[in-house]
Amino acid sequence: DAGITQSPRHKVTETGTPVTLRCHQTENHRYMYWYRQDPGHGLRLIHYSYGVKDTDKGEVSDGYSVSRSKTEDFLLTLESATSSQTSVYFCAISGLAGRDEQFFGPGTRLTVL
Amino acid sequence: GDSVTQMEGPVTLSEEAFLTINCTYTATGYPSLFWYVQYPGEGLQLLLKATKADDKGSNKGFEATYRKETTSFHLEKGSVQVSDSAVYFCALSQTTGNQFYFGTGTSLTVIP
Repeated sequence: DAGITQSPRHKVTETGTPVTLRCHQTENHRYMYWYRQDPGHGLRLIHYSYGVKDTDKGEVSDGYSVSRSKTEDFLLTLESATSSQTSVYFCAISGLAGRDEQFFGPGTRLTVL
Repeated sequence: GDSVTQMEGPVTLSEEAFLTINCTYTATGYPSLFWYVQYPGEGLQLLLKATKADDKGSNKGFEATYRKETTSFHLEKGSVQVSDSAVYFCALSQTTGNQFYFGTGTSLTVIP
């Protein structure tokens, strides 16, 4: 299995509070991704990174920011959490863009009350 | 833009039944196609992939053939087991892009 961990695995927070989720990889892969998974929507891309300090927006980036200061870590921040951000968040990594498959972390279940 | 459409679920089958989960895609050029599986409480795992037209991906008894003429990548298995109960996602990626495009997932339940 690819070495990807996510922390925390579960979190309950209140509306308006900041939240940071962490993705850590030991594979030295260049590309890292954050997705959210919601019933009826499958996986939707939030942000991705193609190198240290290089990030770009995905399909549902509003209300989220990311940072990547080291190859192995990719942080997702909800500046002011809202109930609509209650979801399961997955991190993924990929060695090459395009044809290379993505490897997924175990997920973080976030509940915003 | 690129997109993937897969059949609505949930799908319920008896053990040893034949499985087909339909997936069609919209994309320019020659994308790579993937099937991922997600077991309860876990992340997605790659099940199989195909990188060019007429390629057949296979793994654990599952198969899918990349059909460019019908823009399809249907997942099949000849005899499902209870342990195959999971959610299955079809996905594509472009060689020139950085992103994957996922279908909405199809939930499969296999009953003994």
